[in-house]
Amino acid sequence: NAGVTQTPKFRILKIGQSMTLQCTQDMNHNYMYWYRQDPGMGLKLIYYSVGAGITDKGEVPNGYNVSRSTTEDFPLRLELAAPSQTSVYFCASSSPWTSGGIAYEQYFGPGTRLTVT
Amino acid sequence: GQQVMQIPQYQHVQEGEDFTTYCNSSTTLSNIQWYKQRPGGHPVFLIQLVKSGEVKKQKRLTFQFGEAKKNSSLHITATQTTDVGTYFCALRSGTYKYIFGTGTRLKVLA
Repeated sequence: NAGVTQTPKFRILKIGQSMTLQCTQDMNHNYMYWYRQDPGMGLKLIYYSVGAGITDKGEVPNGYNVSRSTTEDFPLRLELAAPSQTSVYFCASSSPWTSGGIAYEQYFGPGTRLTVT
Repeated sequence: GQQVMQIPQYQHVQEGEDFTTYCNSSTTLSNIQWYKQRPGGHPVFLIQLVKSGEVKKQKRLTFQFGEAKKNSSLHITATQTTDVGTYFCALRSGTYKYIFGTGTRLKVLA
């Protein structure tokens, strides 16, 4: 299993541009999450999804949109990028019952480092 | 809303010294998870605690859940350079979401 994969690894955007961060998991997890991590800070939840077709806002959803058309994919859309969106973006997935029997253990992707100038 | 305080924010230790980080919640918790993030890496799950007063060990790491289920600690005995990174606690918020603490960044001086 590849686990959680994210593309691209790095991206530089100009103010006002848009982009989509891709996230795919091959563990058949129902729950998927998008977090952002600013330098030296903790993780803030942007959006999450509990299954295909179901998404909900987290702590910091403004400026972002998501969709979940399949179990595997959970793309994050940035519209009208702003310097405040410069951050590292992590996608994660989890399931109520993982192979280790630990409920809701989150598996993280490698992250996308985004700079908006 | 739910608040998560994690202390200290930074800790520098000499290799071989012990290290402890604390996670405190304003509300009673159903469970708590701990993650480690190496510099430049992504968070990796370490452990989950569920029961009041629970203590779990992983080699040199000891995790404890408070009796009132409002706080937790992670203790590392005899730190090694491989322990370098940021340690996060994560608290369940509702059924599906977790709120992460601000993290404790550990540096180990050889």
